[in-house]
Amino acid sequence: NAGVTQTPKFQVLKTGQSMTLQCAQDMNHNSMYWYRQDPGMGLRLIYYSASEGTTDKGEVPNGYNVSRLNKREFSLRLESAAPSQTSVYFCASSEMGGKQPQHFGDGTRLSIL
Amino acid sequence: GESVGLHLPTLSVQEGDNSIINCAYSNSASDYFIWYKQESGKGPQFIIDIRSNMDKRQGQRVTVLLNKTVKHLSLQIAATQPGDSAVYFCAENWRNTGNQFYFGTGTSLTVIP
Repeated sequence: NAGVTQTPKFQVLKTGQSMTLQCAQDMNHNSMYWYRQDPGMGLRLIYYSASEGTTDKGEVPNGYNVSRLNKREFSLRLESAAPSQTSVYFCASSEMGGKQPQHFGDGTRLSIL
Repeated sequence: GESVGLHLPTLSVQEGDNSIINCAYSNSASDYFIWYKQESGKGPQFIIDIRSNMDKRQGQRVTVLLNKTVKHLSLQIAATQPGDSAVYFCAENWRNTGNQFYFGTGTSLTVIP
């Protein structure tokens, strides 16, 4: 049972390039999330998907787009990468959303030059 | 995310001693809290959660205490082991905010053998 799988694990981009971060969960969870983690700051929610077919903005959505491809997969896209988007990105899932623990992947470490 | 935090940045304990990690919050509308453990290079791992209608909850070697009067949350780890070395952070969910969690910046726990 893999849980939440993120690809790639590491990526270096140049400013202006685009990229899609992939996330898949095998726990049959309804809700999925994308966070970014920066030094000295707590995890911040970028976007979430409460259920298949829905997506909503979180705390820091600017510069990102998401797609809930199916129940298992939730991707995060950077259309035109900026150095300020250098971060570690985590995908998470939870069974029903709301007041429940979230299960996290091991992150994608993204550097934008 | 501003309402969660005020952690001590580091904590060192001897193996076998008990550890106490603290978290303060400022939003009286917070009604659900989670503690996570994050090892280097890994994603956050759920440890224990507590709802605001409880003051204490116990798990295996861990206890979470919630003091709503002073808006304080603590994680107690009994008989700390080297494998407990990690960053620990709390997250809170506000009443009626659904899927939005606010995360603290974390406390780095080092267990000295």
